[in-house]
Amino acid sequence: NAGVTQTPKFQVLKTGQSMTLQCAQDMNHEYMSWYRQDPGMGLRLIHYSVGAGITDQGEVPNGYNVSRSTTEDFPLRLLSAAPSQTSVYFCASSYYDPLKNSGNTIYFGEGSWLTVV
Amino acid sequence: QQQVKQSPQSLIVQKGGIPIINCAYENTAFDYFPWYQQFPGKGPALLIAIRPDVSEKKEGRFTISFNKSAKQFSLHIMDSQPGDSATYFCAASIYNNNDMRFGAGTRLTVKP
Repeated sequence: NAGVTQTPKFQVLKTGQSMTLQCAQDMNHEYMSWYRQDPGMGLRLIHYSVGAGITDQGEVPNGYNVSRSTTEDFPLRLLSAAPSQTSVYFCASSYYDPLKNSGNTIYFGEGSWLTVV
Repeated sequence: QQQVKQSPQSLIVQKGGIPIINCAYENTAFDYFPWYQQFPGKGPALLIAIRPDVSEKKEGRFTISFNKSAKQFSLHIMDSQPGDSATYFCAASIYNNNDMRFGAGTRLTVKP
């Protein structure tokens, strides 16, 4: 079972270049999100989507764009890469089960290591 | 400004020891507190979670203790094993709200 799949795994960009990190999930989850992980900062929410056609900003959205044309896919675009965007990026999906007395379980992909030089 | 503060940053224990990781939150609207475990090169995965209607939750060797009045919660790992060596993140959110706020993480090393 694939879960959340991210590509590429590793990428080196030059300052000013643009690129797209791909993310796909096969669990039919409505909610998808992108996080970045930096040492000492934990995981910070970049953008999220509550369903196809709906996106919103998280904690650190500047320099990133997203779109959600299907339930399965949620690509993250870096418009003009900067060294400050060197990070590990995680795509995630989640759902809420009203029959369980629990919150949303987030399922993460394996990460994309991005270096901007 | 981090809404969830986690300590310590790193922790080393001997096999069989009981590492304790602490988290504090500020937003009193938070009512769902999960812990995630991350192995090197992998994404985080849900380990255990608690809601504030209970003060403790245990799943296997992992226990969450929750203190609502102090706005603190902690993870205890009983009889720790080298295979528990990983980075642990606490998190908090408003129930049924997907905006999860994470702590900075604790790198745990369990020595054989």
